Amino acid sequence: DAGITQSPRHKVTETGTPVTLRCHQTENHRYMYWYRQDPGHGLRLIHYSYGVKDTDKGEVSDGYSVSRSKTEDFLLTLESATSSQTSVYFCAISVKGRTGELFFGEGSRLTVL
Amino acid sequence: AQTVTQSQPEMSVQEAETVTLSCTYDTSESDYYLFWYKQPPSRQMILVIRQEAYKQQNATENRFSVNFQKAAKSFSLKISDSQLGDAAMYFCAYRSYNNAGNMLTFGGGTRLMVKP
Repeated sequence: DAGITQSPRHKVTETGTPVTLRCHQTENHRYMYWYRQDPGHGLRLIHYSYGVKDTDKGEVSDGYSVSRSKTEDFLLTLESATSSQTSVYFCAISVKGRTGELFFGEGSRLTVL
Repeated sequence: AQTVTQSQPEMSVQEAETVTLSCTYDTSESDYYLFWYKQPPSRQMILVIRQEAYKQQNATENRFSVNFQKAAKSFSLKISDSQLGDAAMYFCAYRSYNNAGNMLTFGGGTRLMVKP
């Protein structure tokens, strides 16, 4: 158990509304990631963070922003949700000393109507 | 950018039989990691097996083994003595050894069904 919790686990919202997903870790790992999972596309990287206030874009960052004001929390924000952002969102961490693998949270299912 | 391709959207296997899931990747790098993750209906992502490109020996973990063909850029997963609990989505993933961000690139996934 890598001590990752995501909230909310399920959310239904309407087009145009802002949404924030939270990822919380308990072990002060430096690297955190947000991925989205869609059928046929696997998991695609949205944004990642390599420290407090240090973030960078991934493959599918348009329409998303992130923030990391504390080591343990990594927030993903959809400023104005669209139906194309209906997806399952996973937070992940990279653990120092482990060889390359990522540890994932349980996912957050977001439906944008 | 690296790409990972899983050409089999769905596979099925009879319980106790053997099945092989395919994965190919595209990279110009020589040092990297490859992974297979399992995602059961619970949605949890579980690491099944890992291979480091500099190792010629194929990785094995109990009933799971890989066939790593570096020149062909192929990384298949073999599941022996399939069990009902093996039914899941399986994702192949790539990570550059020199990737400062440590991120993984995933394939599109293969859904494995196990028939009793």
